[in-house]
Amino acid sequence: GENVEQHPSTLSVQEGDSAVIKCTYSDSASNYFPWYKQELGKRPQLIIDIRSNVGEKKDQRIAVTLNKTAKHFSLHITETQPEDSAVYFCAARDDKIIFGKGTRLHILP
Amino acid sequence: GAVVSQHPSWVICKSGTSVKIECRSLDFQATTMFWYRQFPKQSLMLMATSNEGSKATYEQGVEKDKFLINHASLTLSTLTVTSAHPEDSSFYICSAPSGTGHYGYTFGSGTRLTVV
Repeated sequence: GENVEQHPSTLSVQEGDSAVIKCTYSDSASNYFPWYKQELGKRPQLIIDIRSNVGEKKDQRIAVTLNKTAKHFSLHITETQPEDSAVYFCAARDDKIIFGKGTRLHILP
Repeated sequence: GAVVSQHPSWVICKSGTSVKIECRSLDFQATTMFWYRQFPKQSLMLMATSNEGSKATYEQGVEKDKFLINHASLTLSTLTVTSAHPEDSSFYICSAPSGTGHYGYTFGSGTRLTVV
């Protein structure tokens, strides 16, 4: 089955700087790669997603890149703000969504 | 947009009792429902996949006799934790494909289960 690895587990960046979270997946049949932001005790919130026929997608300060050959995909957050502090999960989907282990992002004042 | 209503949002039960969690799709038909468990500071781990009208598919290591899943209609899937123990205390959350081409997924609000 699918296995999703996510790094780093914790990331601290200065407010205004960029944050990058990287994931790899194992199943070449996976065709959908969402990223979620989760606040404590709440459901994951989709922040951006990318399908396998696209290499990059951007939505304001958030971008995702996908390298299907290498089975890598990354989340980029630019001009980070305090409200970006949260846990972020990458995921990969073939017939079901499998999550990475998460990255706790701290935005430092 | 698509909404999955999950109840209860939290529950405290005694060891040995059973707890039922419901996930209801409010404005779409959920032929499939994914059930996840999340321990504190950990990721969402897929427990099982329920399909309307057929038996659920359980992930490796998940006891099907302990976590009973029923998906009797296109709008309702339930997870029953039987003979609950303190180690079953966790955040349980459901998710259903809801987007065009099933690329979108809608999550329930989650259930915090505490077994005392």
